[in-house]
Amino acid sequence: DAKTTQPPSMDCAEGRAANLPCNHSTISGNEYVYWYRQIHSQGPQYIIHGLKNNETNEMASLIITEDRKSSTLILPHATLRDTAVYYCIVRNYGQNFVFGPGTRLSVLP
Amino acid sequence: GAVVSQHPSWVICKSGTSVKIECRSLDFQATTMFWYRQFPKQSLMLMATSNEGSKATYEQGVEKDKFLINHASLTLSTLTVTSAHPEDSSFYICSARERLGTFNTEAFFGQGTRLTVV
Repeated sequence: DAKTTQPPSMDCAEGRAANLPCNHSTISGNEYVYWYRQIHSQGPQYIIHGLKNNETNEMASLIITEDRKSSTLILPHATLRDTAVYYCIVRNYGQNFVFGPGTRLSVLP
Repeated sequence: GAVVSQHPSWVICKSGTSVKIECRSLDFQATTMFWYRQFPKQSLMLMATSNEGSKATYEQGVEKDKFLINHASLTLSTLTVTSAHPEDSSFYICSARERLGTFNTEAFFGQGTRLTVV
């Protein structure tokens, strides 16, 4: 079973920041937080991952709370092409990915 | 990032026939490959894990005689759906990772294959 809880769906206005929350209250010390997204009829695309520090790359920022029990993925300027299902996954390095239902983000014009 | 390619992207086959899906790692050696299945409006479900040169390990409820997995080389794994039926229609996705010494790289995903059995 997935170890994370995400809202089933969210809307965001184009050009605004999209903040996607994820709860992982049972995360253990060695487990990383990964974010993938899946655009309709495509394979999952890696976005970002982190252990305890906040991370940023060209796609997004990942904010992990100090107790590591939750995190937020931030897409700073959402575009229509960011409409997708976003998966938050907790795993030890090298373990299989277990996908939950994710959050369906709709970016609205 | 590393590239994993699946072929075909989509396939339609008649009920009772078999269909083969290929998964290739284009720029790294895929020591381990994973096969997932995704039904409409559902999440990805892991079907099996295969290590190069070894038999695949199947998840509970997945029939190994129906979903044949071959991982004979470090760059290619195949999934054959035998005697396909309409209920096998789904989106099949592979992912691959490389083992470097005692270290596993990240898993990279293919673009998926949509199978429709008519």
